Amino acid sequence: DTAVSQTPKYLVTQMGNDKSIKCEQNLGHDTMYWYKQDSKKFLKIMFSYNNKELIINETVPNRFSPKSPDKAHLNLHINSLELGDSAVYFCASSRRGPETQYFGPGTRLLVL
Amino acid sequence: GENVEQHPSTLSVQEGDSAVIKCTYSDSASNYFPWYKQELGKGPQLIIDIRSNVGEKKDQRIAVTLNKTAKHFSLHITETQPEDSAVYFCAASIGGNQFYFGTGTSLTVIP
Repeated sequence: DTAVSQTPKYLVTQMGNDKSIKCEQNLGHDTMYWYKQDSKKFLKIMFSYNNKELIINETVPNRFSPKSPDKAHLNLHINSLELGDSAVYFCASSRRGPETQYFGPGTRLLVL
Repeated sequence: GENVEQHPSTLSVQEGDSAVIKCTYSDSASNYFPWYKQELGKGPQLIIDIRSNVGEKKDQRIAVTLNKTAKHFSLHITETQPEDSAVYFCAASIGGNQFYFGTGTSLTVIP
């Protein structure tokens, strides 16, 4: 009965690799987000989608590409991983805003 | 864009005492202010929120106050318990789906 789920929970990979993180929500929300949390715990929005349409795209390298196959899923694909990409990535969802965001458990990415 | 500042960055209190975390925002158009609690190894969870048409909101031991004129809002936790230990984030939104988060406060409740 998990509301927002992410896979994988942990991801350890080498520099230069390509990886994907998946997110699914079963709350019936129209809006989904990706956040990056760095080692100092700072939370920064990366992308936001409303009903599969990109509405927020912060200053994020174009190596990061979100994909929303339907409004319940928002996946994050990262090309050519760099050391600085190491962080915790959170997916979240909400009704059309501003409304409460429900966060997933996070994906801990470590780039070696 | 909006700029949200949060203080203090760390806070230690004795069990049973009160804890106060303060945030300021820059954009007077901000109208929604949620507070999130993040426990170790988990995602942030909403604990209380307030909208700009309200000055104060309370939920058991947790309260939030909003001063629109001064552009600041605060989280108050009374009768703190060890399970209140976590990182707390404030956030502000001017509408739509754009949220700006504070830098977080690590609260430790000492038994």
